[in-house]
Amino acid sequence: QMQLVQSGSELKKPGASVKISCEASGYTVSSYALHWVRQAPGQGLEWMGWIMPRTGETIYARAFSGRIVISFDASVSTTFLQISSLRADDSAVYYCTRSNEFDVWGQGTNVTVSS
Amino acid sequence: EIVLTQSPDFQSLTTKDKVTITCRASQNIGRSLHWYQQKPNQSPKLLIKFASQSILGVPSRFTGSGYGTVFTLTINGLEAEDAAAYYCHQTATTPLTFGGGTKVQIK
Repeated sequence: QMQLVQSGSELKKPGASVKISCEASGYTVSSYALHWVRQAPGQGLEWMGWIMPRTGETIYARAFSGRIVISFDASVSTTFLQISSLRADDSAVYYCTRSNEFDVWGQGTNVTVSS
Repeated sequence: EIVLTQSPDFQSLTTKDKVTITCRASQNIGRSLHWYQQKPNQSPKLLIKFASQSILGVPSRFTGSGYGTVFTLTINGLEAEDAAAYYCHQTATTPLTFGGGTKVQIK
């Protein structure tokens, strides 16, 4: 069974960094791109960027370029999203999702940024 | 950046109704358009890929059509469990973008 399992909720102060994870199982992880999408409370979906696990190639949305890093650790089939210089408006649920059709989704990680 | 404009923003309907949601792209995206359903406090779920391709396990009442700049998601025979937000999404070019969403409420 294909699955993406994400790490738990995070509470951070403004200016801090956060690193959330997404462990893949049930399929050949290296064969599919892995994307990160976020959803602010009551809002729509926003694509942040992706990584191709086989090559390590990344592409980031311009809105986040310079502030996020997406990485992959093949030894644990896990993709990571690191966000630095957190702001209150980064408070959102962050999802990882597979392939360009977004056919498998993680359960979401709630990140709250508050002083 | 390709902008996806969904309409309507909100629909309140009764069961067995036919639902039509439109997604318009600011540029030609061929068939690189996908539809998702998101229920409250759940992750989105892929309903239709590449404009009209069905997904295993998704009820046949969900169908998609369109090409280029205008796409449609149709629900033939709305059921109570279909109350959700629906989003279109394009993968023709980066940055990948989503429509603003359509909320479907059951009266």
